Amino acid sequence: QVQLQESGPGLVKPSQTLSLTCTVSGGSISSGGYYWSWIRQHPGKGLEWIGYIYYSGSTYYNPSLKSRVTISVDTSKNQFSLKLSSVTAADTAVYYCARDAVEDGGNSYFDYWGQGTLVTVSS
Amino acid sequence: DIQMTQSPSSLSASVGDRVTITCRASQGISNSLAWYQQKPGKAPKLLLYAASRLESGVPSRFSGSGSGTDYTLTISSLQPEDFATYYCQQYYSTPKTFGQGTKVEIK
Repeated sequence: QVQLQESGPGLVKPSQTLSLTCTVSGGSISSGGYYWSWIRQHPGKGLEWIGYIYYSGSTYYNPSLKSRVTISVDTSKNQFSLKLSSVTAADTAVYYCARDAVEDGGNSYFDYWGQGTLVTVSS
Repeated sequence: DIQMTQSPSSLSASVGDRVTITCRASQGISNSLAWYQQKPGKAPKLLLYAASRLESGVPSRFSGSGSGTDYTLTISSLQPEDFATYYCQQYYSTPKTFGQGTKVEIK
């Protein structure tokens, strides 16, 4: 059973960089066949996909956040990470990491999710 | 971006009721649609993918249908553990986008 666990600071100051790590257990990121995503949910609101990474390091970011987002992977630690720069209060949200199951046609949906971690942007 | 619109935004139902939630995409998504269930304080859980394929371990009272731009999630007989918020999500094109959610409450 694949498990994902987010970790990182729960409080970030405005204008600083939010950094989170997702540790994967029960499966290897480097085995391929899956993308690895970050998704966020503003308090009491819906879900927003941030972007994903493949084990090779190739990435795709949501254009709405692209200028501020970096997703990286460390296959030796079976982890992938999110950095979001120049944060404001609007970036306060629960951040989830998730595994993307890839269909034959190359499209992918989220089959496993971490429990989520609340990040608050405040001075 | 493809916009996903769910209806209703919320509904009240009783145990044993048949519940239907609809999801409309702003353009055709060729059945590249997933449904998730989210309970308070928890991560979303995958229920169905490819519009109608049941994820392993999900009860058969959940079903999905649709094509083109219009899709439906049906719960055939609502159980106490089904009271939650449900989201549709298209994965036909990036960026992947979600509906705004449908909250299913106890009548």
